[in-house]
Amino acid sequence: GDSVTQMEGPVTLSEEAFLTINCTYTATGYPSLFWYVQYPGEGLQLLLKATKADDKGSNKGFEATYRKETTSFHLEKGSVQVSDSAVYFCALRKIYNQGGKLIFGQGTELSVKP
Amino acid sequence: GAVVSQHPSWVICKSGTSVKIECRSLDFQATTMFWYRQFPKQSLMLMATSNEGSKATYEQGVEKDKFLINHASLTLSTLTVTSAHPEDSSFYICSARDSPITGEAFFGQGTRLTVV
Repeated sequence: GDSVTQMEGPVTLSEEAFLTINCTYTATGYPSLFWYVQYPGEGLQLLLKATKADDKGSNKGFEATYRKETTSFHLEKGSVQVSDSAVYFCALRKIYNQGGKLIFGQGTELSVKP
Repeated sequence: GAVVSQHPSWVICKSGTSVKIECRSLDFQATTMFWYRQFPKQSLMLMATSNEGSKATYEQGVEKDKFLINHASLTLSTLTVTSAHPEDSSFYICSARDSPITGEAFFGQGTRLTVV
C-alpha cells in the first residue's frame, strides 16, 4: 500500500543552521505531497505542498521539491530559528483514490537551540 | 486559511463514561471531515471519514460502536468515545475539507483526552 517514510528524530540544531528533513514515499499513480507542522499541544498546519513532479513548494523559508525519480520530498530551510521547533509531518494524498485521504509519515521532531 | 475549531481542548473523564468531542468548520462548509488519533511522539492514525448526512467510514481496526461519529451538518462533526477506558487516552484531531475530494484539509487544534 501507499506509505510515507521520514527520517527519525529528534533533530537538534543550533539557531541559523541548515535544516534537511528527509521524506520518501511509496505510491502508485501521481500523489500530491505535503509538509505539515505541529506545534506543541496543537493540531496540524499546512506548511507547503506540491502537486506534480518537479514542483517546488515553499513557505516561511521552507521549501521542498517533488522528485518523482527518487520518490522524495525533502524539507529544507537555510537558517532555522528557535520558533521553528515543532514536529514536521510529510504526507501524500491521491486525490481520486481512497477518498482523497492523507497518509502521514511518522513525524520528525525538530528542536532548535539558541 | 479556513478555521476548524475543536472543543474541548482537553478533557478528563472517569472510566466507563462517555465523552463527546466537537469539530466545527467556522468559515466554510465541510462536506468531509476526518478524525485522527495521535499517540505521544507518533504519527496521526486515521480513524474514520465522515461525509455530511451519511454514515462514517471507519478504518480497519477501529471500533465503530466505541467511537461514534456524527456529521449532522456541513459545519459540525462529533466524535463520541463511549464507555471510555484508560487505553482510550490520547490526542484526537479532526480535519475538515471544503470540497469532497480535491479540497484543502484544515485541522483542528486537537483534544487531549485522559481517562482515569
